[in-house]
Amino acid sequence: DVKVTQSSRYLVKRTGEKVFLECVQDMDHENMFWYRQDPGLGLRLIYFSYDVKMKEKGDIPEGYSVSREKKERFSLILESASTNQTSMYLCASSLPGELFFGEGSRLTVL
Amino acid sequence: AQKVTQAQTEISVVEKEDVTLDCVYETRDTTYYLFWYKQPPSGELVFLIRRNSFDEQNEISGRYSWNFQKSTSSFNFTITASQVVDSAVYFCALSGGRGAQKLVFGQGTRLTINP
Repeated sequence: DVKVTQSSRYLVKRTGEKVFLECVQDMDHENMFWYRQDPGLGLRLIYFSYDVKMKEKGDIPEGYSVSREKKERFSLILESASTNQTSMYLCASSLPGELFFGEGSRLTVL
Repeated sequence: AQKVTQAQTEISVVEKEDVTLDCVYETRDTTYYLFWYKQPPSGELVFLIRRNSFDEQNEISGRYSWNFQKSTSSFNFTITASQVVDSAVYFCALSGGRGAQKLVFGQGTRLTINP
């Protein structure tokens, strides 16, 4: 089975802190994605990556950056967390035709 | 631009009832893919089905069935004889011609099945 693992299920951070959300997949997928999920808005794409050291902006990249130094790992970075970044963050990796999601990281910014 | 609309925010039914979740999409692509995902209380999204734009055949998998109609840009999902374990948030999603790349998701429908 494909496994997508997100390092933290729950985080609480303060405004202005730098936050790292880590995601690791074990199936050698080239494509990885970061989404955020908010009530009434569904999932919105933040960033994605088709290869190591490659990244592309999604629909809502403002306030975020990413890092893909190794194929299996895709990190989402909040340089200076703000309260409007309180959300559920979902990582995914993909084969053609199917996305596999991690369990999500629920971030609260105080 | 691509867009997916799930107009039903919440649905609540009694066990064994049939229930249909609506999904309407917008795209200018001639080749595209439609998906349904289930998100149980544990949080992890579970893939249910993928359908490409050239295949309008309805699909049935056990108690689940999907009705794809290009004429109305809809991809509706029906659960027959619902069970409490079907309670979850269900998302419809759309991607362009490259398959499962850059999915655009609907707002989700929270389905509650009451015993």
